[in-house]
Amino acid sequence: DIQMTQSPSTLSASVGDRVTITCRASQGIGSWLAWYQHKPGEAPKLLIYQASTLESDVPSRFSGSGSATEFTLTINSLQPDDFATYFCQQYHSQPDTFGQGTKLDIK
Amino acid sequence: QVQLQESGPGLVKPSETLSLTCSVSGVYLSSYYWTWIRQPPGKGLEYIGYIYYTGSTKYNPSLKSRVSMSVDTSKNQFSLTVNSVTAADTAVYYCARRRLNYYDDSGYYYYFDYWGQGTLVTVSS
Repeated sequence: DIQMTQSPSTLSASVGDRVTITCRASQGIGSWLAWYQHKPGEAPKLLIYQASTLESDVPSRFSGSGSATEFTLTINSLQPDDFATYFCQQYHSQPDTFGQGTKLDIK
Repeated sequence: QVQLQESGPGLVKPSETLSLTCSVSGVYLSSYYWTWIRQPPGKGLEYIGYIYYTGSTKYNPSLKSRVSMSVDTSKNQFSLTVNSVTAADTAVYYCARRRLNYYDDSGYYYYFDYWGQGTLVTVSS
């Protein structure tokens, strides 16, 4: 199985900050990577697919980049609603695998 | 608006069978693949497998011997069964829809566009 290593595991930031989360794959996955946002008690929400394509209705302050084994999720100008857990998913090879998640909390 | 909702017992005894149902609203099951994913406490997400609306399935090899999925298009629901459960099966279980991103000679590439909020299943006597 492809291992997805996500960092950092926790991140403290303030409203207005720019933050970056990284996901590394144990082997090349092309651009077959998605990012999700998850808040406690809610359904995970798709943010980005194919490494950099923003899902409809997702604010443009979210962006994704990368290919092969290294990927980043960037959130510009953090808003109060953005404090949540973020995780990546590779869908290059079955079984799909996920990063361990990054909890973004308020500094 | 597409919504998924997991339901089922929150407590299952060791060696027994875990059964969950995902009720889908806002879209018919037809023409989509439907997935189960779980997250043990303090651990990462684990992909369990998927079922097509026709009933064809593919499971994660790590769980394949104990997992079964079914679909009921008349109720717009799909289900998960895990046999011979142990404490290691304690987790929040999510259902999700797979969306096709792209396909070519190399394969088909899907991500998950809609998820349920998850349901905690505890395995304990």
